[in-house]
Order: sequence, then structure tokens, then C-alpha cells
Amino acid sequence: AAGVIQSPRHLIKEKRETATLKCYPIPRHDTVYWYQQGPGQDPQFLISFYEKMQSDKGSIPDRFSAQQFSDYHSELNMSSLELGDSALYFCASSFGQGGNEKLFFGSGTQLSVL
Amino acid sequence: LAKTTQPISMDSYEGQEVNITCSHNNIATNDYITWYQQFPSQGPRFIIQGYKTKVTNEVASLFIPADRKSSTLSLPRVSLSDTAVYYCLVGLLTGTASKLTFGTGTRLQVTL
Repeated sequence: AAGVIQSPRHLIKEKRETATLKCYPIPRHDTVYWYQQGPGQDPQFLISFYEKMQSDKGSIPDRFSAQQFSDYHSELNMSSLELGDSALYFCASSFGQGGNEKLFFGSGTQLSVL
Repeated sequence: LAKTTQPISMDSYEGQEVNITCSHNNIATNDYITWYQQFPSQGPRFIIQGYKTKVTNEVASLFIPADRKSSTLSLPRVSLSDTAVYYCLVGLLTGTASKLTFGTGTRLQVTL
């Protein structure tokens, strides 16, 4: 079965550079979530989109922005990267209507800021 | 959103039953309780979900008392491959309200 696809798997950037992370949800899933997980930490919710509109916002820095496109894929744009942005970034998708839907996570993008 | 509290870590021997309890005192009427498993450098993976009473699937059971202020994930006869972090999430996904917060998970270590 198709899963959530994230690209790239690994990304190395330098401070003050920009990065774009991509997420392709499971077909027919209309909701996308982004999480950040630092080394040894628990996943932190960043932002979510439902039907291409932002639905909820968590601890996402102002330097980050995200959107969901007409084909439901999503991109997380990160600017002015800082060392502390080094983390594993997960995307998850769900079908947003049922209330008891479960999240399906991708394998993540490991971002290293040098 | 309901805040959850779990033990930070647990140790078990292979073949034993492991029960991980999660407290969620301010769970809302419509909230579901969902457990995820995460291996290092991998995305969390759905284990089981419930609303009340008991739910069982091929990998685990979930026990939810009548007041729903806590839940217990039961893993029967754990193996070394069950060593992972287990998260209890409480909430409701409705599309327009799509925020599920991970608390501090329980790090389960299974040894021989």
C-alpha cells in the first residue's frame, strides 16, 4: 500500500540558508501534518493543513512557512536556518473527516544545519 | 487539548506482558485515545485506538475505564523488537481541527 513519501531523506545546509521539505500524502488523504523531532526529544507539532487550508498551528517559528497544494502534497519552507533547526522532520497524513482517523507518518527528513 | 502523562521508561524481559498506563484527566467527550510506536529515526506507527472499554487487535490491547481519565496499553509477550518509544495521544481529528500533540513517551527496553 502507498505510504507517506517525504523528500529528501537527508539534507545538509549551512546557517542562514534556506531549505524546502516535501511531503506527498497517502492518496485520498486530505490532511497533512508537520512535526519536528530533535535528538532524543518527542515530536513537536508544527502545522497542519486540511483541504489546502491551514487548519492548526503549533510551535512553528516565523522563519518557517508551509502550504498544501492542489494535489494535496505539502512543502515546508525554512529560511535563515539556525543550528537549532537540526532535527528530523516528519510529515503525516490522514483523512480528516472521521474524528477518529489515525495518522500515517513518513520516514522523515533529517535536516542537519552546519 | 488533553495533556497526557506516561512513565518515562520501562524495562521488561522478553516474553512478559507489558502494560503502559497513560493519564489524561481532562479528556474531552469526543476525544479518542490513540497509541503510537516509534523506533529510532523512524516515523511513529499507529498501534491501536479506542474510545471506551476495551479494544484488541493483533498486536495489542487497550483498556479504557468508564471515566476515560486514563488508558492502558497492553503488549502481550514482548520481544526484543518491541523496544521502542510508545506515545499516547488524545484528541480528535476533524480536518478543521487537526492538531495532535505528542507528550513525553514511554521508552520501553526489552531484554533477554
